[in-house]
Amino acid sequence: EVVLTQSPATLSLSPGERATLSCRASQSVSSYLAWYQHKPGQSPRLLIYDASNRATGIPARFSGSGSGTDFTLTISSLEPEDFAVYYCQQRVNWPPYTFGQGTKLEIK
Amino acid sequence: EVQLVESGGGWVQPGGSLRLSCAASGFTFSDSWMNWVRQAPGKGLEWVANIKQDGSEKYYVDSVKGRFTISRDNAKNSLYLQMNSLRAEDTAVYYCVKDSPSVCTSSSCYPAGDFDSWGQGALVTVSS
Repeated sequence: EVVLTQSPATLSLSPGERATLSCRASQSVSSYLAWYQHKPGQSPRLLIYDASNRATGIPARFSGSGSGTDFTLTISSLEPEDFAVYYCQQRVNWPPYTFGQGTKLEIK
Repeated sequence: EVQLVESGGGWVQPGGSLRLSCAASGFTFSDSWMNWVRQAPGKGLEWVANIKQDGSEKYYVDSVKGRFTISRDNAKNSLYLQMNSLRAEDTAVYYCVKDSPSVCTSSSCYPAGDFDSWGQGALVTVSS
């Protein structure tokens, strides 16, 4: 099973700042990594698939990069609605598909 | 617009059973691999099971193998999760999740393995 480790666990930033979230895999997942946003009381939303492709309707301020074992989700300039929990997920070694433990992005 | 609406959640005692249903609309249900993903209170997301378009292939996370069964009825655009021998650690919000479009060859359709639409979730509480 591929273990995904996200860092930091919590990130405190202000609107307008740049956010950088990391995801490290226990073995190579090539580029088969996705990112999701999850707000309280809502369903998770797919942001990025295959490491760097934005899903339909996702704003350009969200970008993903990386391959192999190290991945990054960047939010270039935080909007108030971006404060949420973010999860990475791999799809190369399944079953099971696995998620990281999440990074909580909170308002400073 | 894709809609996934779960039902059937509730409270059950340890060892009991529950069946979740998911009504799908807004896309061609029979063209999509489908999944169940859960989130225990205060925890992260955990993939539980998936099922191929025609129901011929099903996969599970180890912790539910032999206890949970995923199924589908394409005529009713519905996905199901039969949960037996429930344990306290199965307490979670269960999401019905649509797979992104499959990669199909002449011989089979493989799941994309990322999840482009989610239901609102159904809470399952296992407690005495």
